[in-house]
Amino acid sequence: GAVVSQHPSRVICKSGTSVKIECRSLDFQATTMFWYRQFPKQSLMLMATSNEGSKATYEQGVEKDKFLINHASLTLSTLTVTSAHPEDSSFYICSARRPPRGYTFGSGTRLTVV
Amino acid sequence: DQQVKQNSPSLSVQEGRISILNCDYTNSMFDYFLWYKKYPAEGPTFLISISSIKDKNEDGRFTVFLNKSAKHLSLHIVPSQPGDSAVYFCAANAEIQGAQKLVFGQGTRLTINP
Repeated sequence: GAVVSQHPSRVICKSGTSVKIECRSLDFQATTMFWYRQFPKQSLMLMATSNEGSKATYEQGVEKDKFLINHASLTLSTLTVTSAHPEDSSFYICSARRPPRGYTFGSGTRLTVV
Repeated sequence: DQQVKQNSPSLSVQEGRISILNCDYTNSMFDYFLWYKKYPAEGPTFLISISSIKDKNEDGRFTVFLNKSAKHLSLHIVPSQPGDSAVYFCAANAEIQGAQKLVFGQGTRLTINP
């Protein structure tokens, strides 16, 4: 149980276009989901907390207009990288919180902007 | 400000011996700690956790020790197996400004030698 599906696993897009990444909790309801970014050989950096039915909470230094987060249902959160640039190339990972203490992670999305 | 630190970027251990991965934290608000295993281009997989009210938790080959006074925790894997080779992340949970958040260390790459 407690599976989080993240799609796509890999995406290559042209500079200036937008890319949407989906994160679904398959067998549980997730009122809170999280989006992380990982640079090569570095830690997972929390970008934002996605709350179902309300606005996402962004970490300091993360551009809200660049990384649009929508959490319209209890099982789906989306991250849209708008007007992507090569420096946005990274590994993005979502996770869903399972109260009281659990977190389940998606398999990640490798974004390459060319 | 790195609140969760894994000071060893890599560790090499002989198969069958004990692997000890260390993690230090600075924020006394952390109330729950988790260890994750991660392969390249995949999401983290949960291994074991410990509440701040305990000092030890064991699950099969994995044991986590917590020393609250030293703000230090460690993951012991015994006996180590080649399949344990991966990057291990220490993570700490806290309620920050009314929201639950997970903060990750930088990770330690564990290599088990046959």
